[in-house]
Amino acid sequence: DAGVIQSPRHEVTEMGQEVTLRCKPISGHDYLFWYRQTMMRGLELLIYFNNNVPIDDSGMPEDRFSAKMPNASFSTLKIQPSEPRDSAVYFCASSPAGVSFYEQYFGPGTRLTVT
Amino acid sequence: AQSVAQPEDQVNVAEGNPLTVKCTYSVSGNPYLFWYVQYPNRGLQFLLKYITGDNLVKGSYGFEAEFNKSQTSFHLKKPSALVSDSALYFCAVRDKGASGGSYIPTFGRGTSLIVHP
Repeated sequence: DAGVIQSPRHEVTEMGQEVTLRCKPISGHDYLFWYRQTMMRGLELLIYFNNNVPIDDSGMPEDRFSAKMPNASFSTLKIQPSEPRDSAVYFCASSPAGVSFYEQYFGPGTRLTVT
Repeated sequence: AQSVAQPEDQVNVAEGNPLTVKCTYSVSGNPYLFWYVQYPNRGLQFLLKYITGDNLVKGSYGFEAEFNKSQTSFHLKKPSALVSDSALYFCAVRDKGASGGSYIPTFGRGTSLIVHP
């Protein structure tokens, strides 16, 4: 298995532009998580899905952030409009279903820089 | 509610010496505990987990962790550190709770381990 795939790996954009981050989870995993990592705030859970349904989006910082999972093999995190304070590394992770003691499998991350 | 604390931002150790990265947690029920490692410019990788049973858990790359319920701790250890162990280490906890499990993990802030040659 190729693991969790994220694209792009790096994104540089100007303030006000729309940014779309993409994730392909591991096949067969029913849970998908989006995290944001910064030096100041550490690792923050933004939203997670179960069987393509958003379960908890309380970590999404503002309405500028939105996430979708149209099918079991694809998810997007969109920021519109982007701001410099959104600069961070964004990770997608997936996990098997059934019980809550499965570990998570993280993608390589997308490093977003908003100028 | 669940929480996890990693009291040290950075741990420095000489190669060949034993290392310990500390983690304490707070849960209302029984914990599921995890350690992850993050190498530069990479995602987090799972190292080991405690679910139930033996308090000493062995994981990848020679790491182990000891679950101590009375001290609510789950410290990560390795008998002999390697320079290649230098990375960011995260502890995470899930609270099984009284009425079932919370699927949302709580991660610590991370501890930077630096192993000097």
